[in-house]
Amino acid sequence: QKEVEQNSGPLSVPEGAIASLNCTYSDRVSQSFFWYRQYSGKSPELIMSIYSNGDKEDGRFTAQLNKASQYVSLLIRDSQPSDSATYLCAVNGRNYGQNFVFGPGTRLSVLP
Amino acid sequence: NAGVTQTPKFQVLKTGQSMTLQCAQDMNHNSMYWYRQDPGMGLRLIYYSASEGTTDKGEVPNGYNVSRLNKREFSLRLESAAPSQTSVYFCASSEVERGAALQETQYFGPGTRLLVL
Repeated sequence: QKEVEQNSGPLSVPEGAIASLNCTYSDRVSQSFFWYRQYSGKSPELIMSIYSNGDKEDGRFTAQLNKASQYVSLLIRDSQPSDSATYLCAVNGRNYGQNFVFGPGTRLSVLP
Repeated sequence: NAGVTQTPKFQVLKTGQSMTLQCAQDMNHNSMYWYRQDPGMGLRLIYYSASEGTTDKGEVPNGYNVSRLNKREFSLRLESAAPSQTSVYFCASSEVERGAALQETQYFGPGTRLLVL
């Protein structure tokens, strides 16, 4: 059984700062990694996907993957109050018959 | 293009009652999923369907049944509801892109809030 771990938070950052969200996973065969944002009372929405070691940037978001350390992170630059949400990390290893496993989520609060 | 739709949005049941949660997607995806989300527990997979005509158990299948009616629709049935099934239920669909890396992204419906008294 894969496990995906995240700090539950809340993580509080001032507006304009960099928010750093971390995720570790236990199954080495995991191949795909995702960050979802979930506003209170809403469904998860995909922010970033990453499949290879290194960094992947999309606007204010950067995902970082280190498969050797089984670690994936999400950086949010110039954080805005609208970024306040719960961020879910998910991993997937479909080649091995495994499905998406989600972490418990980290609640981020961006203070004006 | 509505994406993934779910009905109903809210439901209150009494213990022992049955109901079916409906899910449909218009993205022509092969794979569909049912999750439940409880406070502090994240999303937990109940059942999934890799393609039309196939279904498999996920992490928490007890007390639920599913039907993949066709490629578009995947329903979740509670035969005898229990208070422990009070939760928010999300349906999702995905398609695998087999390129240089295996890429699969899930898209979620708006959710069904279920309260079992």
